[in-house]
Amino acid sequence: DIVMTQTPLSSPVTLGQPASISCRSSQSLVHSDGNTYLSWLQQRPGQPPRLLIYKISNRFSGVPDRFSGSGAGTDFTLKISRVEAEDVGVYYCIQATQFPRTFGQGTRVEIK
Amino acid sequence: EVQLLESGGGLVQPGGSLRLSCAASGFTFSSIAMTWVRQAPGRGLEWVSTISDSGINTHYADSVKGRFTISRDNSKNTLYLQMNSLGAEDTALYYCSKDVGPIFFDYWGQGILVTVSS
Repeated sequence: DIVMTQTPLSSPVTLGQPASISCRSSQSLVHSDGNTYLSWLQQRPGQPPRLLIYKISNRFSGVPDRFSGSGAGTDFTLKISRVEAEDVGVYYCIQATQFPRTFGQGTRVEIK
Repeated sequence: EVQLLESGGGLVQPGGSLRLSCAASGFTFSSIAMTWVRQAPGRGLEWVSTISDSGINTHYADSVKGRFTISRDNSKNTLYLQMNSLGAEDTALYYCSKDVGPIFFDYWGQGILVTVSS
C-alpha cells in the first residue's frame, strides 16, 4: 500500500499570511497512463470533504486561486497564498493512482 | 447539479448488520465508479471500498474485507454498502463519492452516521 505522509499536522497561521502543506508518498504516484492522481481535499468543521486540487496542480471548479498545488513523483505541496478565515479546517492529500486509495493523516489549519 | 445522498445509518449492536445507500443524481451514474470513505469521530478519512461502473470489479480496505460488501443498482442510480459483523471500530461517518478519473473524488455526499454500541 502507498503510505501518504503529511507535514505539518497542525499549522497556525495569521490571517493574510501564506500556508504550506507537504505530502509525501512512499512510492511514485505516476500512473501507467502517465498521469499523477494526487488530489487535495479541504474539510471545514462539520462539513464533508471538498475537492480543491486534482492531478497535482489543477484547481477544481469554484476553488479560489489563492490555493495552488505543485510537485511530482513522491513530493507534493499545497499552498494557500493568503489565508482567509474560511480556510480554517483540515486538509488531506489523497492518491488515486492505485488501490487501496490512501489519505494523508490530515493537516489542521487554524488562525493564530 | 450533482447530488449524493447517503441513508441507512443508525445505532446497531456489536455483531449486527446495516446497509447503507447512496442515491445519486445529476450525472450518468452507470458510467462512474463509486467509493465509500469513512471518518471515525475526531479522526481522519479512511477509504473503505470502491466499485467499478458496471459493478463487476470491487476493492476493499483490509479492515473491512470479508465483512462489508459494496454493490450498486444502476437502474436505481444507487450505491450500497452492506456491513456485517460490525464492531466499535466501525463507528464513523460514512461518505460516498465519485471515484473516476481524471478528476477523482470531485463530489461527496453529506455523510451518514453509523454507531456501533450496546
